[in-house]
Amino acid sequence: SQQGEEDPQALSIQEGENATMNCSYKTSINNLQWYRQNSGRGLVHLILIRSNEREKHSGRLRVTLDTSKKSSSLLITASRAADTASYFCANGANSGYALNFGKGTSLLVTP
Amino acid sequence: EAGVAQSPRYKIIEKRQSVAFWCNPISGHATLYWYQQILGQGPKLLIQFQNNGVVDDSQLPKDRFSAERLKGVDSTLKIQPAKLEDSAVYLCASSLSPGQGWGYTFGSGTRLTVV
Repeated sequence: SQQGEEDPQALSIQEGENATMNCSYKTSINNLQWYRQNSGRGLVHLILIRSNEREKHSGRLRVTLDTSKKSSSLLITASRAADTASYFCANGANSGYALNFGKGTSLLVTP
Repeated sequence: EAGVAQSPRYKIIEKRQSVAFWCNPISGHATLYWYQQILGQGPKLLIQFQNNGVVDDSQLPKDRFSAERLKGVDSTLKIQPAKLEDSAVYLCASSLSPGQGWGYTFGSGTRLTVV
């Protein structure tokens, strides 16, 4: 399978704390993306990092990529209750560049 | 810009019945995807279209699932006959430039329950 694997499967923190999620993948990639999914809703694109980049920031999000270890991490700083959601990493390793998703990390941020 | 539209939002059917889902992608997006997301798992690609041609349907259970995108715009995904294990959310997505890795937009999905 070309799917990535997120770790941990579930994470519970308090508002204001930082949340770190990790993703590992198996094949060579052009880019890696992170998505958020609120319960019962569609997927929302958060951030994309290309294979020649090592770190990228967007607001409270920080993504790192280590292609030698085939891994990525997503850091959410100063978390809020509204960050409660499932987070997925995805890579477009297919020949048609369709996204392959991992199983996700379920994040719970309590007030 | 309008998002990816999907209907219906929810569907409950009995096993062995048939069901169809509809998707209208973002205008100008040549690439369209159908994903199946079982509860607690990540989305799994079922089929990818480029305009009205199939790019990848390797994970589509072709004995019961079919999909078409006749005019290169809207798409329908059909299941016939449905099984209990088909209960899932079916997500449609479209993209402008998948090779560049950006421009993927997902619809809100259709939640299918097979009883």
